[in-house]
Formats: sequence, structure tokens, C-alpha cells
Amino acid sequence: DGGITQSPKYLFRKEGQNVTLSCEQNLNHDAMYWYRQDPGQGLRLIYYSQIVNDFQKGDIAEGYSVSREKKESFPLTVTSAQKNPTAFYLCASSRQGVGNEQFFGPGTRLTVL
Amino acid sequence: QQPVQSPQAVILREGEDAVINCSSSKALYSVHWYRQKHGEAPVFLMILLKGGEQKGHEKISASFNEKKQQSSLYLTASQLSYSGTYFCGTGGGNNRKLIWGLGTSLAVNP
Repeated sequence: DGGITQSPKYLFRKEGQNVTLSCEQNLNHDAMYWYRQDPGQGLRLIYYSQIVNDFQKGDIAEGYSVSREKKESFPLTVTSAQKNPTAFYLCASSRQGVGNEQFFGPGTRLTVL
Repeated sequence: QQPVQSPQAVILREGEDAVINCSSSKALYSVHWYRQKHGEAPVFLMILLKGGEQKGHEKISASFNEKKQQSSLYLTASQLSYSGTYFCGTGGGNNRKLIWGLGTSLAVNP
């Protein structure tokens, strides 16, 4: 079955540690996205990538980093520079073009203690 | 500019209808609608494009008023499974990014 996976579902880290969230898709999509969602809030774009080895900052990129070395993988690192990292993180992918829906992974809930 | 969704919340009895609106201050090329249940991933409902093209589920209907830069999602004969938070995401023509509204919480009770 084609889809998009994120792991782990729940993640706990101590303050000051970097943590990497995994996102993999086997839908053969060119575009991939990382969103952050806080309670009662919409989706805020962290980074997006339209093609391998290229990515752009979204609206809240500070304190985060990404890589896109393979088409199917788009990992997100939450660095110690991110001041409020506790949140629900969603990864999505889509075909190129504005008229295509985004497919979302199940999300990772990160809690920094 | 973030699109504005209204109402913020709505409570229905099973079988009732609802309309959720999404308004933008910027010219729109596309409007995407998704539903999210608590703790889960958003699920695609519909895309509406400038020019009238639509893509989505057969049981969902929506409109896109390009002049007013607004879209409305119509939920008819609501079922318990319709409960969740509905988000609209708006896109400009050249920009692949979507900007998302804050969501409309919908609760359908028996």
C-alpha cells in the first residue's frame, strides 16, 4: 500500500537535545512538507521541498533543519535553538502543481521535558 | 495572510446541515479543504481551483467565489463521522505553499 509514514508517534526529549523526526513516502511524490501544529492552531509550515537536494524555509523555520537526499525521505531535525519545540509535527507529500492534494503522515507528538 | 474561517465552532444534531466559510484578503488560485480528528492526520476533502475546476469526494460539496476570495464547504445530512476540525488551505498561483486557517470545530451529536 502506498502512503506516508512518520516515526515515532510519541517522542520525549530533554531540553537542549537535538532530535530528528522521520518522514518516508512511497507515493513517488516530488514535493514534501513539514508542519507544526499547536493546540487550537492551524498548520504552520516549517520547511518544504519540491525536488531532491533542494528545500525552502517556511514560515517558522528558525530552530529547525531538514535534508532531502532521497525522493522518498524528508527528515526534520528539531535543534536546541528551537525555543518551544513541544508540539505535534506533521509531514505531508504531494505531486507537483498547485491543484494536487497533500497526503499527510500520522504525525509525531514531541514533548521536550 | 492567513485565511479566516467561520464559524469557529458549530454543534449539530445528526441529519442537520452546516456551512463552513474560508475568506482570504489575497487573490486565490486554489482552496484546499481537509478534516482532522483529534490526534490524527488531516484527511483530504476537496480542492477548488480558479476557473471552476474541482476535485474531491462525491459526498462533499463546496463553492469558490473568486471575486470575493471566499470558499464555502457544505455539509448536508450530517453524520456522526463528520465530527472533527475542518481546515482550509489557500494557495496563490506561483507559490506551492498553502496557508492554513485556524480551523472550524464541528461536533455532530446523536
